[in-house]
Amino acid sequence: DAGVIQSPRHEVTEMGQEVTLRCKPISGHDYLFWYRQTMMRGLELLIYFNNNVPIDDSGMPEDRFSAKMPNASFSTLKIQPSEPRDSAVYFCASGRPEVGTEAFFGQGTRLTVV
Amino acid sequence: GDSVTQMEGPVTLSEEAFLTINCTYTATGYPSLFWYVQYPGEGLQLLLKATKADDKGSNKGFEATYRKETTSFHLEKGSVQVSDSAVYFCALLNYGGATNKLIFGTGTLLAVQP
Repeated sequence: DAGVIQSPRHEVTEMGQEVTLRCKPISGHDYLFWYRQTMMRGLELLIYFNNNVPIDDSGMPEDRFSAKMPNASFSTLKIQPSEPRDSAVYFCASGRPEVGTEAFFGQGTRLTVV
Repeated sequence: GDSVTQMEGPVTLSEEAFLTINCTYTATGYPSLFWYVQYPGEGLQLLLKATKADDKGSNKGFEATYRKETTSFHLEKGSVQVSDSAVYFCALLNYGGATNKLIFGTGTLLAVQP
């Protein structure tokens, strides 16, 4: 398996624009997690899905953020409108916690909002 | 709720020095415990894990023992190398508990000097 695949690896956008981050989890994993990492706040869990259903979105910072998982092999995290304070590295991870395994992380998307 | 506390960094060591990074946790039940490593510009990778009390996880010369009596999972390595320079995250997974998600510590930056 190729692992968790995220795209794009880097994104630079202007304030006010819509940004969509994409993630393909590892096949067979039924949990998918979106994290955000910044120097100030460290690693934050934004939302996670189980079998494509959002379970906990309490980490989503505000209504400008939304996430979807239309099927088992694809998820998106959308920011609309984007703001400079959204600049961070966004990670997607997948796993099977029901069997005690770890989460596998993608390489991340580095987002810069100018 | 469940939480992880790890020692703050940065930790600066000379090559071949002994490494300890402390990690303690708070959780109900019997969580699984993990150490992840993040090299510059990359995502998080699993370094080692332990799923029950007294288990010892080991990988690449790193070790950590799941101590339920002290609720600890300290990371150790007998002789560090420059290539070990990275950020290390302690994490727990309490599947079946309040949430089925990985909970991370704040991360500890390790810098090894030649």
